[in-house]
Amino acid sequence: AQTVTQSQPEMSVQEAETVTLSCTYDTSESDYYLFWYKQPPSRQMILVIRQEAYKQQNATENRFSVNFQKAAKSFSLKISDSQLGDAAMYFCALETSGSRLTFGEGTQLTVNP
Amino acid sequence: EAEVAQSPRYKITEKSQAVAFWCDPISGHATLYWYRQILGQGPELLVQFQDESVVDDSQLPKDRFSAERLKGVDSTLKIQPAELGDSAMYLCASSSGTSGDNEQFFGPGTRLTVL
Repeated sequence: AQTVTQSQPEMSVQEAETVTLSCTYDTSESDYYLFWYKQPPSRQMILVIRQEAYKQQNATENRFSVNFQKAAKSFSLKISDSQLGDAAMYFCALETSGSRLTFGEGTQLTVNP
Repeated sequence: EAEVAQSPRYKITEKSQAVAFWCDPISGHATLYWYRQILGQGPELLVQFQDESVVDDSQLPKDRFSAERLKGVDSTLKIQPAELGDSAMYLCASSSGTSGDNEQFFGPGTRLTVL
C-alpha cells in the first residue's frame, strides 16, 4: 500500500515571500511519480508540478520548485514570490506503476497582501 | 482550451433517492476517472475507465454506486440509494494515457448534499 502525508493543514505567507509545503510518502516501489496539485476555491484542480522518481534533478516550473529527497521519501513544494492567486488547497500525490493516484490530505495556503 | 465538463455542478437530494452525475472528458482522452472528495480530504479514486472498459473499481461501493462509459466517451456515475455519508464533491478527470507521464485534467466537480 502507498501513503501520502501532508503534516501542515494550513500555511500562510506574505505576498512576494517564499513558502514551503511539506509532503512525505511511503511506497515499496522504486519507480513512481510525485505530483503537486492546486485546487483553488470553487475551481478545478490543476497540476502544478511533477517529479519522476528516477530523475535526481528537482523539477522546476517558473516560481514553483520541489525538493525531492528519495531516501527520506520527502517531496516538498517551494513557492517563490508568492502571489494572491497562489491561495488554494495544495495536494501532494503519488502514483506508482499500475496503481491509482494517491492524494494527501491537503494544505490550505493563504497569501496575505 | 479543452476542458473536462461535469454536470450538474450542485445537487441536493434526500437520502434513499437516486442521483446521477455526468462527465464529458477532453476529446481524445481514452482514460477517464471518477473521484470522491470528502470535505477537508484529498480525492479518492472510485473508478477508472480505459475507453469503455473498467480497469479499476476496487474502491467503488458496488451495492449502491454504478458507473458506465458506454461509447468510450462521456460517462455517468450513479448512486442509488443515496446515503447521508455520500455527501461529497465528485470529481471527473481524464488523461490521454495511464502512466504518470500523462497529466490528469480535472473537471469542476459536482457537489452532492444528501439530506
